[in-house]
Amino acid sequence: KNEVEQSPQNLTAQEGEFITINCSYSVGISALHWLQQHPGGGIVSLFMLSSGKKKHGRLIATINIQEKHSSLHITASHPRDSAVYICAVFSNTGNQFYFGTGTSLTVIP
Amino acid sequence: SAVISQKPSRDICQRGTSLTIQCQVDSQVTMMFWYRQQPGQSLTLIATANQGSEATYESGFVIDKFPISRPNLTFSTLTVSNMSPEDSSIYLCSVDFWQENTEAFFGQGTRLTVV
Repeated sequence: KNEVEQSPQNLTAQEGEFITINCSYSVGISALHWLQQHPGGGIVSLFMLSSGKKKHGRLIATINIQEKHSSLHITASHPRDSAVYICAVFSNTGNQFYFGTGTSLTVIP
Repeated sequence: SAVISQKPSRDICQRGTSLTIQCQVDSQVTMMFWYRQQPGQSLTLIATANQGSEATYESGFVIDKFPISRPNLTFSTLTVSNMSPEDSSIYLCSVDFWQENTEAFFGQGTRLTVV
């Protein structure tokens, strides 16, 4: 069993739709990251969370530490949001990183 | 913050050859990390590269296969040696702000195909 599970694995949406990507983890963490991977392979950090909720533009990330669950929301989705979104956690025991396998998002015009 | 330049962005290599991937950071960083992402898989840490000392390899990765150099605080290379098709992956470098629970900074990735 992976320490970080994401769902869905693949997601296709129409432009303008509200999108939610979920992440569950099984280890104690000090931080959770949402990353965006572009088709060429480069990765950009979107959020780092240890509690609550953060918002950047059309992106919102939430985390529930008690339930070991995080969600990434995209409002008014756009084709340029098409990418792979990766959830990653930094474990507070053993000091290591665990990565989800990613959610491949395609937004159709 | 940090800007990381990684090259090459992609390459197609023959079986048995070696490829060296370079990672240049626009500021001095203590630790740099090399990751591999096999098709459809999550990122896996290969090794941690510290300036002035041997790299620390994760289980399943060895120096003979993935030699790493870290000649200064802004540059590192990862070599994939004696390549086989199983080495076809995306390779990414990252810098140590990630360790300090701040934003993560990654290179653009190198998409390697071994034929």
